[in-house]
Amino acid sequence: DGGITQSPKYLFRKEGQNVTLSCEQNLNHDAMYWYRQDPGQGLRLIYYSQIVNDFQKGDIAEGYSVSREKKESFPLTVTSAQKNPTAFYLCASRANRDRGGPSGANVLTFGAGSRLTVL
Amino acid sequence: SQQGEEDPQALSIQEGENATMNCSYKTSINNLQWYRQNSGRGLVHLILIRSNEREKHSGRLRVTLDTSKKSSSLLITASRAADTASYFCATDRGEGGKLIFGQGTELSVKP
Repeated sequence: DGGITQSPKYLFRKEGQNVTLSCEQNLNHDAMYWYRQDPGQGLRLIYYSQIVNDFQKGDIAEGYSVSREKKESFPLTVTSAQKNPTAFYLCASRANRDRGGPSGANVLTFGAGSRLTVL
Repeated sequence: SQQGEEDPQALSIQEGENATMNCSYKTSINNLQWYRQNSGRGLVHLILIRSNEREKHSGRLRVTLDTSKKSSSLLITASRAADTASYFCATDRGEGGKLIFGQGTELSVKP
């Protein structure tokens, strides 16, 4: 089945540690996104990538880093510089504009999420 | 930055009743989308309405869009307990594929 796989589902981090969240998709989507969700709140965009080897900062990029070396993979590193990293992290991908789907639309497919807790 | 404001923040109804959720936004958009999130899970796309459309239906879902008021509503008819979830609106302003999400409405449907 095609989809997005996030791992791990749960992750605990000590103060001062970097951690990396994995996001893999087999949908052949060009664009991928990382969002952060805090309790009872909406999603805030951390980073996004529209093509391999290129990515842009979202609204809350400070303390995070990403890479996009392969089309299928968009890992997110939460660095020690992120002061309040405890949150639910969601990865998403978007169908290519020229390969079906509503023309010009940005419908996202989401993974199941990774919950990061700082001890 | 959050584009969408949703209300109510929480809604509790009985099975069989209709549920209406509202979303307001601040800038012009290409389209507006609604997503559903079950507790502790990822979001699932429900329906998309373009800026030149006023109403759209999909099964028990009805979405309206008023671009003059910069607002949208999602109506779920004949609700079921399985509809219990959080519902988010998301606006597409055509900026590099970014969607801006509202803070969501938490819907509880009691059997």
